[in-house]
Amino acid sequence: GENVEQHPSTLSVQEGDSAVIKCTYSDSASNYFPWYKQELGKRPQLIIDIRSNVGEKKDQRIAVTLNKTAKHFSLHITETQPEDSAVYFCAARIQRNKLSFGAGTTVTVRA
Amino acid sequence: SAVISQKPSRDICQRGTSLTIQCQVDSQVTMMFWYRQQPGQSLTLIATANQGSEATYESGFVIDKFPISRPNLTFSTLTVSNMSPEDSSIYLCSVLEGGEQFFGPGTRLTVL
Repeated sequence: GENVEQHPSTLSVQEGDSAVIKCTYSDSASNYFPWYKQELGKRPQLIIDIRSNVGEKKDQRIAVTLNKTAKHFSLHITETQPEDSAVYFCAARIQRNKLSFGAGTTVTVRA
Repeated sequence: SAVISQKPSRDICQRGTSLTIQCQVDSQVTMMFWYRQQPGQSLTLIATANQGSEATYESGFVIDKFPISRPNLTFSTLTVSNMSPEDSSIYLCSVLEGGEQFFGPGTRLTVL
């Protein structure tokens, strides 16, 4: 099945700096890559996604890039704010609409 | 996006007992899923709940332990049977809508 690896496991950044999280996937048939943000005690929330026919997508301070050849995709958060502190999960869609998740990255934004 | 609710939000149960978790969606959805999230861990798919037929389970999960019902396109239940402390986890239902997947608020289960 699909194997999604996510790095780093923890990330501490100064407020205003950028944060980058990287994921790799194993199944070249994967065609959809969402990112979820999970605050403590809350449900995972979809924050951005990208499909395999697109190389980059941006939504305000958040952007995602996809390199199909290398089978990796990344989340970029610019001008980080304290409310960006959370656990972020990448995922890749495999067959029958199932998502395979990365292990998660705990992001801490220092004020 | 669809509004997803789960009941109960949390429970504390004794080992050997069973708990049924309900998931209600405010619109009809084709695909519903059940996930488990152990403390500090990622999300693991338990099964796909199929309307009108048996659920499709992932490797490591079996129907006898996690029976699932899906009587219609807006509702599903997950039962955690014969519980042990290792079943302590958050259980989340999830729906596919418009090609995107959304999660319910989760049920926090503690087994003593």
